[in-house]
Amino acid sequence: AQSVTQPDIHITVSEGASLELRCNYSYGATPYLFWYVQSPGQGLQLLLKYFSGDTLVQGIKGFEAEFKRSQSSFNLRKPSVHWSDAAEYFCAVVPYGGATNKLIFGTGTLLAVQP
Amino acid sequence: ETGVTQTPRHLVMGMTNKKSLKCEQHLGHNAMYWYKQSAKKPLELMFVYNFKEQTENNSVPSRFSPECPNSSHLFLHLHTLQPEDSALYLCASSQEVKRGDLTDTQYFGPGTRLTVL
Repeated sequence: AQSVTQPDIHITVSEGASLELRCNYSYGATPYLFWYVQSPGQGLQLLLKYFSGDTLVQGIKGFEAEFKRSQSSFNLRKPSVHWSDAAEYFCAVVPYGGATNKLIFGTGTLLAVQP
Repeated sequence: ETGVTQTPRHLVMGMTNKKSLKCEQHLGHNAMYWYKQSAKKPLELMFVYNFKEQTENNSVPSRFSPECPNSSHLFLHLHTLQPEDSALYLCASSQEVKRGDLTDTQYFGPGTRLTVL
């Protein structure tokens, strides 16, 4: 079945440490890929998106993500985490050829940042 | 105000009540969306409106009734809800729904936390 999987429900990292959040998809053709962040009490904000081309995508707030076709993955990374990065992170896809309204979300990864 | 706003931010209602959620976008967009976010479940798309016309109803029960009087406002009317309908309801907007337009980004509001007793 077509799906988006975020294997880690909850991650804790120390401030200043590097971060990698995992996202795997299960679709026949490479979908369009997105990462959103949801801070407490706020709506979702788009961090970055991948459609084609360079497999390393730069986003806002110092985040980047790398698309790996062989692994059906689109992992989110940040070299040095700040306390303000504590939030919930959602990977989302739009199946290839679909309209952008058809966002399909993973279950999210809750990031905690230790001082 | 800027962006996408939602009122109320919190709502508690009984199963026999009728209430409405309101969403307003100040971005000049033409498409608006309702999502349901339940604990430990992925966000679920409920409805999509494009230029005030409903283009998507994702098999949502009739106890949820959307209304889009203009491109800036979106309502979700609620009646005879069930406790399992308790969730965070998110509104979003985008420029417009256009197949193949990959530049259209959805902007989300802060949500309404709904509790059904």
